[in-house]
Amino acid sequence: GIQVEQSPPDLILQEGANSTLRCNFSDSVNNLQWFHQNPWGQLINLFYIPSGTKQNGRLSATTVATERYSLLYISSSQTTDSGVYFCAVSPTSGGYQKVTFGIGTKLQVIP
Amino acid sequence: DSGVTQTPKHLITATGQRVTLRCSPRSGDLSVYWYQQSLDQGLQFLIQYYNGEERAKGNILERFSAQQFPDLHSELNLSSLELGDSALYFCASSTPRFRGHDNEQFFGPGTRLTVL
Repeated sequence: GIQVEQSPPDLILQEGANSTLRCNFSDSVNNLQWFHQNPWGQLINLFYIPSGTKQNGRLSATTVATERYSLLYISSSQTTDSGVYFCAVSPTSGGYQKVTFGIGTKLQVIP
Repeated sequence: DSGVTQTPKHLITATGQRVTLRCSPRSGDLSVYWYQQSLDQGLQFLIQYYNGEERAKGNILERFSAQQFPDLHSELNLSSLELGDSALYFCASSTPRFRGHDNEQFFGPGTRLTVL
């Protein structure tokens, strides 16, 4: 099956700093999402971005499908950004998809 | 609030027992997905239903089963529970795009299952 690698696995930031999270995938995809899992366990949709670039406030994401990677940018980080960030993909091949999640990037923003 | 509801929020039971987790998708969504999140396995796709029919199967154990009802809500049944089944179980829903490719998935709050 498709492999999804996220980096870095752990990240500690000072409040106000910027960061870039990366998601590499081993096969072509027709669906890619970024999620934030907050400390209470809730999975929050950030971006649905199988290709291209999107921005939402302090967050933006870029997926380069031909090179099989996606980046999530967090600017001016806040303590509420803490949690785990997941990338999830569905491969193009095989018709109906089986969604595969990366292991996540655990972010801690300190005041 | 994603619009996906799950009940119960927490469930504590004993080994060998059977439990049922319930999920109601967002209004208009025909696809329902079940996921298991455990500390050692991460987020694992279990199974997908589309308009009442099973569409895709992931790492779902034979002791687990699911179904989607005519009103589109779904239930995940876990039987002969083991300690290792303790996890957070998520349901997600989406609206199909075309040729079986799905749109953005929205997740419910999850059911935290503890097996003692």
